[in-house]
Amino acid sequence: GAGVSQSPSNKVTEKGKDVELRCDPISGHTALYWYRQSLGQGLEFLIYFQGNSAPDKSGLPSDRFSAERTGGSVSTLTIQRTQQEDSAVYLCASSQQGARTEAFFGQGTRLTVV
Amino acid sequence: RKEVEQDPGPFNVPEGATVAFNCTYSNSASQSFFWYRQDCRKEPKLLMSVYSSGNEDGRFTAQLNRASQYISLLIRDSKLSDSATYLCVVTHSGGYNKLIFGAGTRLAVHP
Repeated sequence: GAGVSQSPSNKVTEKGKDVELRCDPISGHTALYWYRQSLGQGLEFLIYFQGNSAPDKSGLPSDRFSAERTGGSVSTLTIQRTQQEDSAVYLCASSQQGARTEAFFGQGTRLTVV
Repeated sequence: RKEVEQDPGPFNVPEGATVAFNCTYSNSASQSFFWYRQDCRKEPKLLMSVYSSGNEDGRFTAQLNRASQYISLLIRDSKLSDSATYLCVVTHSGGYNKLIFGAGTRLAVHP
């Protein structure tokens, strides 16, 4: 595709349910990032993938959060037993490998836990 | 201490004004530096990269001071359309390029 694609764009879920958020990066981009942004706040790093491996998952807030990437392409962020504080916009970005490469963001998934 | 720090603002300026933002970073081994722009309820988009020698793109000038570990963005002749949040981004060294975002500086340009 032309850009980073995320789905769904909006998700409303009940507290305690599991959700899966999907990111389809730009073709050929080996680096993939997940960030979270709460209303009026900055971007909070969650996890970084290089290819299929995640050398840095230090930002995942709890063991309810997990992510995987398959085929060096699509990534899925899973939140188990959602809580109200998980409500935020989840942003995915991808870039080519290299120090000066631009990261391109998807439009995000707005998650609301009710 | 946060790895990348920015004044959150908001900076409220009239059209035509010149405004400058600074950003400081804590990791002296950081390799690359960028300014991103984020409009309300939109995703961040690259505004410009920041090079050691400083660089200019139209009304925007970015500078890097490695010795003092800060980055600056200067906007001249502000337009209403410049109203946004400006994010300072640093790549974290250590075998791979992890993007570290500052919390952003809000700019509001008024008529």
